[in-house]
Amino acid sequence: GEQVEQRPPHLSVREGDSAIIICTYTDSATAYFSWYKQEAGAGLQLLMSVLSNVDRKEEQGLTVLLNKKDKRLSLNLTAAHPGDSAVYFCAVSASSGSWQLIFGSGTQLTVMP
Amino acid sequence: EAAVTQSPRNKVTVTGGNVTLSCRQTNSHNYMYWYRQDTGHGLRLIHYSYGAGNLQIGDVPDGYKATRTTQEDFFLLLELASPSQTSLYFCASSEWGEQYFGPGTRLTVL
Repeated sequence: GEQVEQRPPHLSVREGDSAIIICTYTDSATAYFSWYKQEAGAGLQLLMSVLSNVDRKEEQGLTVLLNKKDKRLSLNLTAAHPGDSAVYFCAVSASSGSWQLIFGSGTQLTVMP
Repeated sequence: EAAVTQSPRNKVTVTGGNVTLSCRQTNSHNYMYWYRQDTGHGLRLIHYSYGAGNLQIGDVPDGYKATRTTQEDFFLLLELASPSQTSLYFCASSEWGEQYFGPGTRLTVL
């Protein structure tokens, strides 16, 4: 079945710097890609999602890139600020009918003032 | 905005105990999911449902039962709780890929 690897597990950047998180997946039938943010003590909040026909999506300081050839998904936070500190998860689905998501193991992002 | 609520938020039980975790969504979504979150594993799917009376097995179903009584309500049952089931449990709902999560229930099995 689908395997998702996420890296790095921990990422520390200074305020104003970019932060990049990468996920790789194994199933070429994967059709739906998403990123979630989890703040301390809270549930997961959907940040952005793309279908497989989209290579790049930008919203509010976030950029999602999808490289289907290399089976790689990335999230780029441009000009990170301390409020971005959280755990970030990628999640993918083959859209086989159940929309079952397979999650990466998470990246703890710390943005230092 | 989508709303998913869970109860209780925290639960402590003993080995062999009987626990029911509750989830309610007011999004009119067909799909509902139960996950557990453990350090180093991300979120793992336990059970899911695509409508009242329907139940599908997820990736880590052993030791868990679930029941979807209405479109809104999805329950996770641990009939003989074990310490390995100590975890943070999340419920989610969706109509397609975009899942909306509840705040979680922290379960400790002593």
